[in-house]
Amino acid sequence: QQQVKQSPQSLIVQKGGISIINCAYENTAFDYFPWYQQFPGKGPALLIAIRPDVSEKKEGRFTISFNKSAKQFSLHIMDSQPGDSATYFCAAKRYNQGGKLIFGQGTELSVKP
Amino acid sequence: KAGVTQTPRYLIKTRGQQVTLSCSPISGHRSVSWYQQTPGQGLQFLFEYFSETQRNKGNFPGRFSGRQFSNSRSEMNVSTLELGDSALYLCASSLEGWAGINTEAFFGQGTRLTVV
Repeated sequence: QQQVKQSPQSLIVQKGGISIINCAYENTAFDYFPWYQQFPGKGPALLIAIRPDVSEKKEGRFTISFNKSAKQFSLHIMDSQPGDSATYFCAAKRYNQGGKLIFGQGTELSVKP
Repeated sequence: KAGVTQTPRYLIKTRGQQVTLSCSPISGHRSVSWYQQTPGQGLQFLFEYFSETQRNKGNFPGRFSGRQFSNSRSEMNVSTLELGDSALYLCASSLEGWAGINTEAFFGQGTRLTVV
């Protein structure tokens, strides 16, 4: 049972464009939604995270939009740069399950110069 | 501040053998979680340890086990290795005072295990 569904699997964006990655979840007990960035040969690194009581959170060029009623959240990367080329994972965590993160399948982003 | 350290970085083992992987969390972090990453299944949660006790467990067979020491360092063990166990094994640490407090999880670079 895939509790967090992520799309698209891969994404090609021109430099300066907006990259948008979407995730949908099923379990309404989730209360923490982080996004991770992973470069080849490295572990995932936390980019930005949001809780369900907030509809949007922005940090630099990265924005999370959250729609609680639709059980969806998305990552927007503004002014995408070639250095943003990486795999992005959304994740979710239940309030009563400590450190257990449920990950989406990942999106491989390629930003063309 | 040192990050999460995993050793070794690479391992090659033969089917049927067992393997032990090590993870040193960020100083002060008491929660350590382990994940398996494969191209087909993505990132899957193995288990979490907090204060030397297993707090959460994923859907992996009993061949996968772990433990945590009093200094929060953690090890995971895989016995009777199978070809399908080839993966990147990632460790993540977080403060996690108690369940319900959502704090950031910091990942190590992982151990690449190849089973031949």
